[in-house]
Amino acid sequence: DTAVSQTPKYLVTQMGNDKSIKCEQNLGHDTMYWYKQDSKKFLKIMFSYNNKELIINETVPNRFSPKSPDKAHLNLHINSLELGDSAVYFCASSPGQRTNEQFFGPGTRLTVL
Amino acid sequence: SQQGEEDPQALSIQEGENATMNCSYKTSINNLQWYRQNSGRGLVHLILIRSNEREKHSGRLRVTLDTSKKSSSLLITASRAADTASYFCAPDNAGNMLTFGGGTRLMVKP
Repeated sequence: DTAVSQTPKYLVTQMGNDKSIKCEQNLGHDTMYWYKQDSKKFLKIMFSYNNKELIINETVPNRFSPKSPDKAHLNLHINSLELGDSAVYFCASSPGQRTNEQFFGPGTRLTVL
Repeated sequence: SQQGEEDPQALSIQEGENATMNCSYKTSINNLQWYRQNSGRGLVHLILIRSNEREKHSGRLRVTLDTSKKSSSLLITASRAADTASYFCAPDNAGNMLTFGGGTRLMVKP
């Protein structure tokens, strides 16, 4: 069984469009994250949610809006996509805020044309 | 939180050899974690070493931590082709936020 899953795996879209990436974890974890990995492989945290509440927003443009309908899901909606948004986006989860091992999803490769 | 910096950026070895990767960070930490990323996949947690530990083992992995030098190393012994991946360190001082560097890309040739 997949622990942290993301859909879609690949997303190709035109500049200016709005798109969503979904993430689900079946580990019973309280904390979920979104990361962005650029072409140089640097992985940067974007958001962190604990029990559906936002606890970290790392100066991400407000075109990015995370939504957590329940603690097993953390979706990422992106408005008005720009070329610079092209990257691989990873969802992750951990048991709690103070438990640090994180479990990552397989990633979503977003390409903005 | 803070970013770890891995060194070297790339490493190529023959199967059976040992691989050593280093990580440096800037401020005090509660713990430091190492992750592996296979091509096209998400990161997988390998090992966590706490600030009061100096060395930790897990199978063929050996991690050391020197808090006085603010550095850590990951040693993979008797490497295999399947160890080919990128390896990231993540120093943690905030409890719930990890920041990764660019990783070390390890290539193990059969």
